[in-house]
Amino acid sequence: QSALTQPASVSGSPGQSITISCTGTSSDIGYYNYVSWYQQHPGKAPKLIIYDVSSRPSGVSNRFSGSKSGNTATLTISGLQAEDEADYSCTSYRSSSSTYVFGTGTKVTVL
Amino acid sequence: QVQLQESGPGLVKPSETLSLTCSVSGDSVSSANNYWSWIRQPPGKGLEWIGFIHYTGRTNQNPSLKSRVTISVDTSKNQFSLELSSVIDADAAVYYCSRLTALGDWYVFDYWGQGTLVTVSS
Repeated sequence: QSALTQPASVSGSPGQSITISCTGTSSDIGYYNYVSWYQQHPGKAPKLIIYDVSSRPSGVSNRFSGSKSGNTATLTISGLQAEDEADYSCTSYRSSSSTYVFGTGTKVTVL
Repeated sequence: QVQLQESGPGLVKPSETLSLTCSVSGDSVSSANNYWSWIRQPPGKGLEWIGFIHYTGRTNQNPSLKSRVTISVDTSKNQFSLELSSVIDADAAVYYCSRLTALGDWYVFDYWGQGTLVTVSS
């Protein structure tokens, strides 16, 4: 099962905004608005930060936002902070197989 | 507070079967609204969904692993389990169990175990 495609790394300075793309196909990201994003610090379990493309769970900073265009979803982190340095993964439901697929993961570095 | 905890051998020999159990507290695996999932992450790589089970016994697996994966649930112990047969080096990973629950319009992995590292070596 092919993974969703993310850039391996993205970096930015404190206070800046960065974006992370997540590219799939017309069978997953392009078919449903069921994209979610997870933040993972080293040695820790992933944490849900965005669901349904652009919704934030209770308690997640509004500096995290999501969007989608066609087969590509995007996570934006605004006002970058040191604590945002982590790995980020997208996931989507895939209609062709009724399964879940994760992205390849992106390491965010705060310069 | 929902908590999940993986348990099982940290070392498996090639060609043998990997067996892990996830113990759930703070929720019931018999909850109709939830599915119980296994996800893995090879060292330095991305997450990979393995499969899920509902208490009714309904399961679904990653097509890439389907022929080797068995997921089961034990409602009396509030646990669910993973078996992966004929393991190879590429199966070495941190294995997570997670709750898949409805949020908004669909389902999300909202609670995760801490993960357990499984090494494949003879």
